[in-house]
Amino acid sequence: DVKVTQSSRYLVKRTGEKVFLECVQDMDHENMFWYRQDPGLGLRLIYFSYDVKMKEKGDIPEGYSVSREKKERFSLILESASTNQTSMYLCASSFTGARSYEQYFGPGTRLTVT
Amino acid sequence: KQEVTQIPAALSVPEGENLVLNCSFTDSAIYNLQWFRQDPGKGLTSLLLIQSSQREQTSGRLNASLDKSSGRSTLYIAASQPGDSATYLCAVSDSGNTPLVFGKGTRLSVIA
Repeated sequence: DVKVTQSSRYLVKRTGEKVFLECVQDMDHENMFWYRQDPGLGLRLIYFSYDVKMKEKGDIPEGYSVSREKKERFSLILESASTNQTSMYLCASSFTGARSYEQYFGPGTRLTVT
Repeated sequence: KQEVTQIPAALSVPEGENLVLNCSFTDSAIYNLQWFRQDPGKGLTSLLLIQSSQREQTSGRLNASLDKSSGRSTLYIAASQPGDSATYLCAVSDSGNTPLVFGKGTRLSVIA
């Protein structure tokens, strides 16, 4: 079974802190994605990556950056956390070699910025 | 830009009822469509994936259909159970490894 793990289920940070959210997948997937989910707004794409050291902006990249130094790991960085970044963050991955490109999601990180 | 709509936003049914959840998308040039389940405070669990060339997929009591030309998909749940209570999300991809575009979900409550 595909496993996507995220470093924390719950995280509380202060305004202005630099925050790192980690995502690891164990199935050698090329594609990895970061979404955030907010009530009434649904899931929105922040960044995605097709391969190591590659990254593409999604719909709402402002205030975020990403790092993909190893294939299995995709990190989301909040450069200076703000209260409007309080949200549920979801990581996903998919395999280019599979015709289906089915996306698998991690359990999510609930981030609160105070 | 692709937009995905799910109707209704919330649905409450008695246990044992068969039900249909609806999903529509504005651009019919999709690669695939996925249905997910999300329990409160949790991540997404993939239920079914339909390729653009397929009409339907089945898994247990779940059946998803796709009418690409009309931009619609339905998720049929047979003999609903209280354990089916969750939010169901529909998402489309326009070229496989591109990100998914999600609907806002249907929150389902199955009452015992």
